[in-house]
Amino acid sequence: RKEVEQDPGPFNVPEGATVAFNCTYSNSASQSFFWYRQDCRKEPKLLMSVYSSGNEDGRFTAQLNRASQYISLLIRDSKLSDSATYLCVVNPPPTGNQFYFGTGTSLTVIP
Amino acid sequence: EAQVTQNPRYLITVTGKKLTVTCSQNMNHEYMSWYRQDPGLGLRQIYYSMNVEVTDKGDVPEGYKVSRKEKRNFPLILESPSPNQTSLYFCASGGGEKLFFGSGTQLSVL
Repeated sequence: RKEVEQDPGPFNVPEGATVAFNCTYSNSASQSFFWYRQDCRKEPKLLMSVYSSGNEDGRFTAQLNRASQYISLLIRDSKLSDSATYLCVVNPPPTGNQFYFGTGTSLTVIP
Repeated sequence: EAQVTQNPRYLITVTGKKLTVTCSQNMNHEYMSWYRQDPGLGLRQIYYSMNVEVTDKGDVPEGYKVSRKEKRNFPLILESPSPNQTSLYFCASGGGEKLFFGSGTQLSVL
């Protein structure tokens, strides 16, 4: 079983729409979770960390559901500039030195 | 400017010809790592390093070597490249929970 699984999409949404991505992880003892954004074949960049209490940054909200072992990313009022691939990342124990990336979810925001 | 510098950006080579991809960071990070990215497989960790002279295998280390003689540099070495190592490679360094990535190296092995 993969450490991290994501729906690859693609998600094509109109400007202004709300879109949500989910990501499941296999190691129930994992403590650190992140969402990264990657533009076409460029380097990934940290979008937000995911905390147990949830995390909100402007139009972006990340949440963690430990019982079901998934994390989510919600984007409200989508902009054209949000078009990218969103990568779910888990940093499981015991060492915390291996970051496991999902395959990414592709989002295209349409005018 | 804080950054991770990877070179070269593009590399085409032939099977068996040794090559090195360089990676350097100026943020004094102890943690550095190499990934390869392939369609449908996402980013997979090749090797990582927790400090100078400390390196460990990631999920896909076969066919690769690394060294960490200085804190800022973490080169990736392919002693005898093969076509299945054609991929997009990223170097990253870590401070706290955040990973900073280099701009990537697109490698093609013919």
